[in-house]
Amino acid sequence: EADIYQTPRYLVIGTGKKITLECSQTMGHDKMYWYQQDPGMELHLIHYSYGVNSTEKGDLSSESTVSRIRTEHFPLTLESARPSHTSQYLCASSTNRDRAAFFGQGTRLTVV
Amino acid sequence: EDKVVQSPLSLVVHEGDTVTLNCSYEVTNFRSLLWYKQEKKAPTFLFMLTSSGIEKKSGRLSSILDKKELSSILNITATQTGDSAIYLCAVGTGTYKYIFGTGTRLKVLA
Repeated sequence: EADIYQTPRYLVIGTGKKITLECSQTMGHDKMYWYQQDPGMELHLIHYSYGVNSTEKGDLSSESTVSRIRTEHFPLTLESARPSHTSQYLCASSTNRDRAAFFGQGTRLTVV
Repeated sequence: EDKVVQSPLSLVVHEGDTVTLNCSYEVTNFRSLLWYKQEKKAPTFLFMLTSSGIEKKSGRLSSILDKKELSSILNITATQTGDSAIYLCAVGTGTYKYIFGTGTRLKVLA
């Protein structure tokens, strides 16, 4: 059973606000990922990290930023939220490239 | 560009039917192929297939990897209403990324 946690689960905020979506895992996984998924659509990789102090942008351009100061923590920040950021954000982690990625429960973000 | 394609996009069956879901891929450095089940929220892991493990089975679900054809199938026998979900196929690449397909939406009617 994967132990990866995301908070909040649901968030409704106004345009222009700064928000941080939290993701933590207790498995000691070195690889972590953020995916964005619109309803009924595929998952798009927006950020990933190989380990502490390592972050890379994914295939889908995103205005968000991430940091990886501790192995277990991979927060995603939006400096100024817009309605176009409304989506579900899924965090995942894995041990190495030959192991499965396990997902958190997701954060459903609505920007009004 | 790395790509994962799933078919069909959606499927409606009756309880007891057997279904086969397809996944094909084009990636530059294949490492693994994964199947996930997504209900209302996050994807839950089903199987991982690699060059050293091309067939997996768990209960009524089974999956096979065909590295020659660059594809995989997920079979579900004796379907139940609880199998209704989106089934996602993902390919793990040599750059530590997982590329997802759009998924197959399965609905099982009672």
